[in-house]
Amino acid sequence: DQQVKQNSPSLSVQEGRISILNCDYTNSMFDYFLWYKKYPAEGPTFLISISSIKDKNEDGRFTVFLNKSAKHLSLHIVPSQPGDSAVYFCAASSYGQNFVFGPGTRLSVLP
Amino acid sequence: EPEVTQTPSHQVTQMGQEVILRCVPISNHLYFYWYRQILGQKVEFLVSFYNNEISEKSEIFDDQFSVERPDGSNFTLKIRSTKLEDSAMYFCASRERIYEQYFGPGTRLTVT
Repeated sequence: DQQVKQNSPSLSVQEGRISILNCDYTNSMFDYFLWYKKYPAEGPTFLISISSIKDKNEDGRFTVFLNKSAKHLSLHIVPSQPGDSAVYFCAASSYGQNFVFGPGTRLSVLP
Repeated sequence: EPEVTQTPSHQVTQMGQEVILRCVPISNHLYFYWYRQILGQKVEFLVSFYNNEISEKSEIFDDQFSVERPDGSNFTLKIRSTKLEDSAMYFCASRERIYEQYFGPGTRLTVT
């Protein structure tokens, strides 16, 4: 039962353009969402979070949008840089309990 | 900047052997977690630990697994009798009261 889905296993974007990574969830009890970036042979690195009381959170080049009615969130990276190339995981939690991770999307930013 | 550390970075063991994976969470964090990622698969929750006891565990975390916080700084994951399918990256994470978990670099466990 995939509670958190990232339907695009990979995404390629030109440097300087916008990267949009999508995440869908099925559990309506989820109230907190995080995005992590992971390089090979390293642990996931926290990027940005959003709680269900908001529909947008921005931090520099990263913006997360939450559409609760659609149970959908997205991470926008603009402008994309080659160093952003990594696997991005969406994770969701209910009341701060353990986070359920999506399968990840591999982002490649092409110079 | 404080960070979660894990040792060893790579552990090779024979099937049936016991392994202990070690983590040092960020010092003022209260909640501790172990996750694993089998090669090519998603990150999976194993167990969470708060106030010196397990607060939640997944179905993966069976009787072969145990966790300890023996001395107030280390947080360990023990696998009593390793199986081939235990081969994975094991990540420790910790957090304060806020929800963002911070992950360590992982231990690659190879069971032969």
